[in-house]
Amino acid sequence: EVQLVESGGGLAQPGGSLRLSCAGSGFNFNNYAMSWLRLSPGKGLEWVSSVGGGGSGAYYADSVKGRFTIHRDNSKNTLFLQMDSLRGDDTAIYYCAKGLSYLDARHFEYWGQGSRVSVSS
Amino acid sequence: DIQMTQSPSSLSASVGDTITISCQASQDISTYVNWYQMKPGAAPKLLIYDASNLKIGVPSRFSGSGSGTDFTLTISSLQPEDFATYYCQQYENLLWGFTFGPGTKVDFK
Repeated sequence: EVQLVESGGGLAQPGGSLRLSCAGSGFNFNNYAMSWLRLSPGKGLEWVSSVGGGGSGAYYADSVKGRFTIHRDNSKNTLFLQMDSLRGDDTAIYYCAKGLSYLDARHFEYWGQGSRVSVSS
Repeated sequence: DIQMTQSPSSLSASVGDTITISCQASQDISTYVNWYQMKPGAAPKLLIYDASNLKIGVPSRFSGSGSGTDFTLTISSLQPEDFATYYCQQYENLLWGFTFGPGTKVDFK
């Protein structure tokens, strides 16, 4: 059974940083592209970033480009999202999701249950 | 950017009803549309991929159709576990990003 478990969310101040983690199990982690998405009342559901199975080919939404970094540790079956220069509109529930193949991040086949991030002073 | 709109934004229905949710893209995206179900506190689920393909394990009462700019998700014989929010997503080009519709909340009449 595919399982994705996010952690690392919490409260951060504007301009601060947080690092989210997503532990994957039940599948060959390094064989699949992975993504981060978020859900907020103001913006709805939003794609944030994706990375290919080998860790190369990272892509970002314009709203987070230059502030967020996606990376993965395939030896630990874990996906990360380093979030810097946080802003109030980054407040959301963040989900990690598994793609359909090594390079295919277009379909979010399985999702975690999410990790809540709040940015406020 | 490709914008996605959905209608209705919410609908009330009863168990056994057949409902239809529409999704429209701001430009031609062929069949590059997925549909997801979201419930509070639960992991979202992929239902339909490539506009009309049912993901393995998803009940056959769910179906998708459409191409170009207009897409539809139909749920036949609505079940209690189907009351949720549904989102369409386009994936025409990763370089431009993926975008979702604003969602359609289906609740009890």
